[in-house]
Amino acid sequence: GQQVMQIPQYQHVQEGEDFTTYCNSSTTLSNIQWYKQRPGGHPVFLIQLVKSGEVKKQKRLTFQFGEAKKNSSLHITATQTTDVGTYFCADSGAGSYQLTFGKGTKLSVIP
Amino acid sequence: NAGVTQTPKFRILKIGQSMTLQCTQDMNHNYMYWYRQDPGMGLKLIYYSVGAGITDKGEVPNGYNVSRSTTEDFPLRLELAAPSQTSVYFCASSPTGYNYGYTFGSGTRLTVV
Repeated sequence: GQQVMQIPQYQHVQEGEDFTTYCNSSTTLSNIQWYKQRPGGHPVFLIQLVKSGEVKKQKRLTFQFGEAKKNSSLHITATQTTDVGTYFCADSGAGSYQLTFGKGTKLSVIP
Repeated sequence: NAGVTQTPKFRILKIGQSMTLQCTQDMNHNYMYWYRQDPGMGLKLIYYSVGAGITDKGEVPNGYNVSRSTTEDFPLRLELAAPSQTSVYFCASSPTGYNYGYTFGSGTRLTVV
């Protein structure tokens, strides 16, 4: 796996506001996976992006893979308190058996 | 279908003690992984296995050992526990190494004092 940088590290939003977290790499990413970890919980797989420029949606969540496959983003529209948690991106690396995780973005939602 | 089961959930060890963290999965996944998670540091891979009898080191293997005698079980052994091993440990599995999301266990919170 390659080193992936996530920004921001923390984000506090008012309920109803939008939220975006970014995952960046200096080299080409293979496949990007996104996970959500609730406070005190374990990471839960959300989605995988494989193709350049790919966009996938899950209800209020929109996932994008950059055209150059060097970045990815997760956007949440109209956040809710149930969105609280840490969001991780992870890259598998070409031909790798393992995922390398970013440090995550911790989202707090103020009711 | 229980998924990935980890035991124990919590443990306090004294410096120099040893213990085994248990992990079992019932999804017939070939690939299994051990990660540790420290506050603000994401998840770091300790060891992984691509099938019974096959294991390999990850990013932070020192102080740990693993074995994989069956498809279902992937225990993690800590020898001579040190305070630096205080962490939350997650076991995960996947059908293959990529193109599938990982299924994580609920974790073991270990404190070494």
